[in-house]
Amino acid sequence: DAGVIQSPRHEVTEMGQEVTLRCKLISGHNSLFWYRQTMMRGLELLIYFNNNVPIDDSGMPEDRFSAKMPNASFSTLKIQPSEPRDSAVYFCASSQGHANTGELFFGEGSRLTVL
Amino acid sequence: EDKVVQSPLSLVVHEGDTVTLNCSYEVTNFRSLLWYKQEKKAPTFLFMLTSSGIEKKSGRLSSILDKKELFSILNITATQTGDSAVYLCAVLDTNAGKSTFGDGTTLTVKP
Repeated sequence: DAGVIQSPRHEVTEMGQEVTLRCKLISGHNSLFWYRQTMMRGLELLIYFNNNVPIDDSGMPEDRFSAKMPNASFSTLKIQPSEPRDSAVYFCASSQGHANTGELFFGEGSRLTVL
Repeated sequence: EDKVVQSPLSLVVHEGDTVTLNCSYEVTNFRSLLWYKQEKKAPTFLFMLTSSGIEKKSGRLSSILDKKELFSILNITATQTGDSAVYLCAVLDTNAGKSTFGDGTTLTVKP
């Protein structure tokens, strides 16, 4: 299995631009999580989906952030407009029955730099 | 709100030393506690603990959970430079269905 696949791996953009991060889950997994990691705040949960349905988006910083899961294997995280404080590594993780097993499988992350 | 606190934040040791990493937690509906290792890229799973007092072991790494005192420890014996990483602790809340992570312990093992 290819594992969780994220793209792009690196993105540098200017303040005000739209950013779209993409994630492909491991086949057969039904839970998807978007995390953001910074030195200051560690690994923070932004939003998670179970069976394509958003369950908890309380970690989404503000309305500039949105996430979708148009099908069982794919998700996007969009930031519009982006700001320098959004600079971070964004991880996508998937799980098979997360509420029962707990183990998360992480992608390699998308490193975002907003100038 | 679920909370996970890890200590120490960073640790520098020499090869062959034994280290103990600590994780304390507060969670509304505890399901499990998990340890991950993060090198340069993504966190990778090490252990999942659900029951008190039962040690999980993998090679030189071992971990145990105390559900009464709400903490876990991760031990690494005979450390090697390849053990250098950030070690993350997370707790899974059953009702919320999500894992909350601590800030991690950065371990540096010098030759």
